Amino acid sequence: AQRVTQPEKLLSVFKGAPVELKCNYSYSGSPELFWYVQYSRQRLQLLLRHISRESIKGFTADLNKGETSFHLKKPFAQEEDSAMYYCVSLFSNDYKLSFGAGTTVTVRA
Amino acid sequence: DSGVTQTPKHLITATGQRVTLRCSPRSGDLSVYWYQQSLDQGLQFLIQYYNGEERAKGNILERFSAQQFPDLHSELNLSSLELGDSALYFCASSVLPGGSNEQFFGPGTRLTVL
Repeated sequence: AQRVTQPEKLLSVFKGAPVELKCNYSYSGSPELFWYVQYSRQRLQLLLRHISRESIKGFTADLNKGETSFHLKKPFAQEEDSAMYYCVSLFSNDYKLSFGAGTTVTVRA
Repeated sequence: DSGVTQTPKHLITATGQRVTLRCSPRSGDLSVYWYQQSLDQGLQFLIQYYNGEERAKGNILERFSAQQFPDLHSELNLSSLELGDSALYFCASSVLPGGSNEQFFGPGTRLTVL
């Protein structure tokens, strides 16, 4: 079955430390992949998408087809990065987005 | 603020009842999506409408139905409610259909079934 897996429910890092959120997908084709984020008391919003190959708020994510992964990384975490992060996929034979279970990131001072 | 509005914010009802959740998309967005977020199932896509027509269906129960009106607002109807229907229901909108378009989410409606 096509699915997105985020193995970490919780991730705690210190300010200034690198942070990496893992995401793996199971799909034989080429999915579109996104990271959505929900900050405290804010709405779920798009952070970045793999086709843009952009860095947003210092975050980057590279699609690794060999490992079927789309890990989200930031070299120096900031307190404002504390949020819930969802890895999301759009499989080419489907219209709907598939959300991972989400990872709650806490950045400690 | 994404521009997507949802009413009501909270809803408490009893098993067996029927409720209607409302969503107004961002101005100019023709596509509306409904999602259910629960502790055990996570965020699940329910259904999508584009310009009044049903576009895609996800894990939506037969007891649930939705529609999009000519003014593009959408309603999600939940009937014969069960305890397990307690969840946060999100609406999102995008300009075009298809998940590759950025979706703008509303604040959600928290439904509690007692």
